[in-house]
Amino acid sequence: DVKVTQSSRYLVKRTGEKVFLECVQDMDHENMFWYRQDPGLGLRLIYFSYDVKMKEKGDIPEGYSVSREKKERFSLILESASTNQTSMYLCASSSSWGEGYTFGSGTRLTVV
Amino acid sequence: GQQLNQSPQSMFIQEGEDVSMNCTSSSIFNTWLWYKQDPGEGPVLLIALYKAGELTSNGRLTAQFGITRKDSFLNISASIPSDVGIYFCAGNYGGSQGNLIFGKGTKLSVKP
Repeated sequence: DVKVTQSSRYLVKRTGEKVFLECVQDMDHENMFWYRQDPGLGLRLIYFSYDVKMKEKGDIPEGYSVSREKKERFSLILESASTNQTSMYLCASSSSWGEGYTFGSGTRLTVV
Repeated sequence: GQQLNQSPQSMFIQEGEDVSMNCTSSSIFNTWLWYKQDPGEGPVLLIALYKAGELTSNGRLTAQFGITRKDSFLNISASIPSDVGIYFCAGNYGGSQGNLIFGKGTKLSVKP
């Protein structure tokens, strides 16, 4: 089974902290994605990557950055966490464009 | 950018009822996918459709790729309590760098 693992299910951080959300996939997928999910807004794409060291902005990249040093790992970084970044964060991967994504279980981040 | 209109936004089910939901787009899509998200988990792929007119089943779930290639439908027959969750449609039209576009979801709840 394809597996996408997100390092934390729940996180509570303070305003201004630097936050790292880690995601690892075990199926040698080229493409990886970070979404945030908020009630009524659906899934919104933050960043994606189609290769090691490559990254592309999604629809809402402001306040976030990403890192992909190894093919299997895609990290989302909140440089200075703010309360409006309280959300559910979902990582996903896929083998090729247009194919279905496999999602992780999500990280529910609360910034206080 | 491209958006998918998914309806209804929410619905209540009673055990044994049939359920229908749909997604429409303004562009022609090459792929339609349906996901289900259980509370506190990431979305899981239910059905993938790749050809106009295609009708595919997965147990009590049936999905269709609309003939116009601008819509898709998901039906759930004889619903059971574990069907509750959020159902997302997603599609690929060749734009957005090949990324999937997601609907905002249909939330299925049990009638009190």
